[in-house]
Amino acid sequence: EVQLVESGGGLIQPGGSLTLSCAASGFTVSSNYMTWVRQAPGRGLEWVSIISSGGGTYYADSVKGRFTISSDNSKNTLNLQMNNLRAEDTAVYFCARNGGNSRVERYLDYWGQGTLVTVSS
Amino acid sequence: EIVLTQSPGTLSLSPGERATLSCRASQSVSSSYLVWYQQKPGQAPRLLIYGASSRATGIPDRFSGSGSGTDFTLTISRLEPEDFAVYYCQQHGISPWTFGQGTKVEIK
Repeated sequence: EVQLVESGGGLIQPGGSLTLSCAASGFTVSSNYMTWVRQAPGRGLEWVSIISSGGGTYYADSVKGRFTISSDNSKNTLNLQMNNLRAEDTAVYFCARNGGNSRVERYLDYWGQGTLVTVSS
Repeated sequence: EIVLTQSPGTLSLSPGERATLSCRASQSVSSSYLVWYQQKPGQAPRLLIYGASSRATGIPDRFSGSGSGTDFTLTISRLEPEDFAVYYCQQHGISPWTFGQGTKVEIK
């Protein structure tokens, strides 16, 4: 059974750093495209970043240069290093698995329950 | 960036009624890359429809998707109590991937 469990969220001051982790089971993270999506309180979904099975990474303009997506093969986890955090980064962060490695399969077929990041002084 | 505009913002219906949700793209999207998700309060989104019209595993056949180009539709043929939720469309064909703002289906 595929499961994704995020951790690492919390309250952080503006300008601070935080690393989110997403522990996967039932499949191998490094063999799949994986994605982070966030949702600000009471708002809609926003795509944040994706990592390919080959290690290629892509970011939304709003986080480019501040966030880094990576995978840890030894722990079968997906990570999101977040630096220089801003109030507008406050959101629930979801990790999700892409349905496959071909372009038409990059929908998000499994999601974690999310972890809340609050950026406030 | 492709902007997806969903309408209506809120749909008030009774169980057993038909729901029709719209997703309009600011430029043409290949139907292969149009997806629908369902989200209930406090939960993660759930994949409903991919490729504009293919149901994900375990999704009941009362959910159907259609459309092409810039206009896509999610239809719920007969609303069940568990279908009252927020629905999002998403395109994953052109970076940055984008979501619509959501349509809330509420009990009338």
